Amino acid sequence: KQEVTQIPAALSVPEGENLVLNCSFTDSAIYNLQWFRQDPGKGLTSLLLIQSSQREQTSGRLNASLDKSSGRSTLYIAASQPGDSATYLCAARSGSSNTGKLIFGQGTTLQVKP
Amino acid sequence: NAGVTQTPKFQVLKTGQSMTLQCAQDMNHEYMSWYRQDPGMGLRLIHYSVGAGITDQGEVPNGYNVSRSTTEDFPLRLLSAAPSQTSVYFCASSLRAVSSGANVLTFGAGSRLTVL
Repeated sequence: KQEVTQIPAALSVPEGENLVLNCSFTDSAIYNLQWFRQDPGKGLTSLLLIQSSQREQTSGRLNASLDKSSGRSTLYIAASQPGDSATYLCAARSGSSNTGKLIFGQGTTLQVKP
Repeated sequence: NAGVTQTPKFQVLKTGQSMTLQCAQDMNHEYMSWYRQDPGMGLRLIHYSVGAGITDQGEVPNGYNVSRSTTEDFPLRLLSAAPSQTSVYFCASSLRAVSSGANVLTFGAGSRLTVL
């Protein structure tokens, strides 16, 4: 059974710092892995999606990497800003197609202090 | 485009009552799904649909029913509400159920349900 874990549960950093959020999964047979952002009381916004054949994806100040063999993904945020404060969730889609179940981690709540 | 629209945003029920959470998308997405989000549990899949007329169970389907009579709508029904169903519910959709390419989930804003 796939399990997705995100550590730490909460992180506080000063503005401008580069940071890494971690996501680990127990079953390496994933179809893709997706990173989301959730603002308080709001829905989830997709940030990056990495296919199982890819190593990384980049969007602006965000870079997500995927290492299937070690069961890890990281979300790198460069030059953090107060507006980056949110909860970040990773989700691994199990199996060999897009109909596999999407299993979410519990999230890392990030606070970027001005 | 409105994207994924969920109603209501807030609802309080008494134990044993029934209700329907509505989800609609205007993006012609094939795939639609319902998740519940609970503290310390992450998001868990309740039911999903890969197209009109097709539904299947997720991780935690008990106590919930779904139907997909149209591509646009995917309502979630609570048959007899229980306090354990107090949660925030999210509807999500994506363009294709089966695709060789990337497929991104779009989420609604959520529906907060409290069962007393």
